[in-house]
Amino acid sequence: EDQVTQSPEALRLQEGESSSLNCSYTVSGLRGLFWYRQDPGKGPEFLFTLYSAGEEKEKERLKATLTKKESFLHITAPKPEDSATYLCAVQPVYNFNKFYFGSGTKLNVKP
Amino acid sequence: DAGITQSPRHKVTETGTPVTLRCHQTENHRYMYWYRQDPGHGLRLIHYSYGVKDTDKGEVSDGYSVSRSKTEDFLLTLESATSSQTSVYFCAIRTETANTEAFFGQGTRLTVV
Repeated sequence: EDQVTQSPEALRLQEGESSSLNCSYTVSGLRGLFWYRQDPGKGPEFLFTLYSAGEEKEKERLKATLTKKESFLHITAPKPEDSATYLCAVQPVYNFNKFYFGSGTKLNVKP
Repeated sequence: DAGITQSPRHKVTETGTPVTLRCHQTENHRYMYWYRQDPGHGLRLIHYSYGVKDTDKGEVSDGYSVSRSKTEDFLLTLESATSSQTSVYFCAIRTETANTEAFFGQGTRLTVV
């Protein structure tokens, strides 16, 4: 069964305190792994796509990495505006229309 | 926002009444999706469409139907709303480039009382 598990469920950081969010997945052939950011009352906002183990993508203070079983979203020196829920999703090779989402990690960065 | 507009943004309805949510896109994408988001469950696929009049079921399709008579509009209908369908509903599109990520609308908060 294809599934995604994100940890921790919630994370509180002080501004400038770097950390990582985890996305563990099982899928029958990975086409892509996606990271999204979601602010309260809004739709998910696309951040990164990773396609193969060893791949890394960066955007400002965020860096996403991928292995064969999990992905990490590293947040370096976070700011309060990085506070949001971060979602991970996998897309299987057998059906590009099936995205399986984790429940998300709610990040709170305090000034 | 990938040119996606959902309407209404908020709706309260009574159990047993029919409800239709609309997703409108302006960029002529072939693939459109309806998801629901509930605490502890993440986003779950309800139905999707791969062209006009071409639709298929997702993992939580029971109690929902969809229609796509024009490329730009994808409608989600709850034939007889139940309290378990209280949720936030998101429409999404997927591009057909080499990058196959999905882009989401702003959501519709539906409350069934």
